[in-house]
Amino acid sequence: KQEVTQIPAALSVPEGENLVLNCSFTDSAIYNLQWFRQDPGKGLTSLLLIQSSQREQTSGRLNASLDKSSGRSTLYIAASQPGDSATYLCALSTSGTYKYIFGTGTRLKVLA
Amino acid sequence: NAGVTQTPKFQVLKTGQSMTLQCAQDMNHNSMYWYRQDPGMGLRLIYYSASEGTTDKGEVPNGYNVSRLNKREFSLRLESAAPSQTSVYFCASSESGPTGEQYFGPGTRLTVT
Repeated sequence: KQEVTQIPAALSVPEGENLVLNCSFTDSAIYNLQWFRQDPGKGLTSLLLIQSSQREQTSGRLNASLDKSSGRSTLYIAASQPGDSATYLCALSTSGTYKYIFGTGTRLKVLA
Repeated sequence: NAGVTQTPKFQVLKTGQSMTLQCAQDMNHNSMYWYRQDPGMGLRLIYYSASEGTTDKGEVPNGYNVSRLNKREFSLRLESAAPSQTSVYFCASSESGPTGEQYFGPGTRLTVT
């Protein structure tokens, strides 16, 4: 059974710092992995989607990488800003199913 | 282009009452999903519809039913609400099932007393 883990559960950093959020999974047979941002009381906003054949995707200050052999994805945020404060979730779909499995998220706070 | 819309935004039910949560997408996506989000549990899949005319159970289907009314609309029904169904419910869609990017609605916050 696919399990997705995000550590740490919460993180506080000063503004301007580069940071890495982690997402680990147990089954490497995945279709894709998606990173989301969720603000308090809001829905999920898609940040980056990495297909299983890709190693990384970039959007602005965000870079997501995927290493299926080690069961790990990272979301790199460059030059963090207070507006980046939110919960970041990873989700992946496993080959042969239509189901997405979510991690429990990392709650990020960027201090001004 | 509204994306994924959900109604209502908030709802309070008494134990035993029934209600239907509505979801619609205007992106011509084939697949649609219903999730619930609970503190410390993350998002869990309730039901999904791979394509128009099909529905399948997810991780936590008990106490729920769904209808894929057409390609745009996917509703979630609670026949007899229980306090354990207090949660935030999210609808999502993707163009091509597990290979496509998921887009989420704003959520429905449901309280069952």
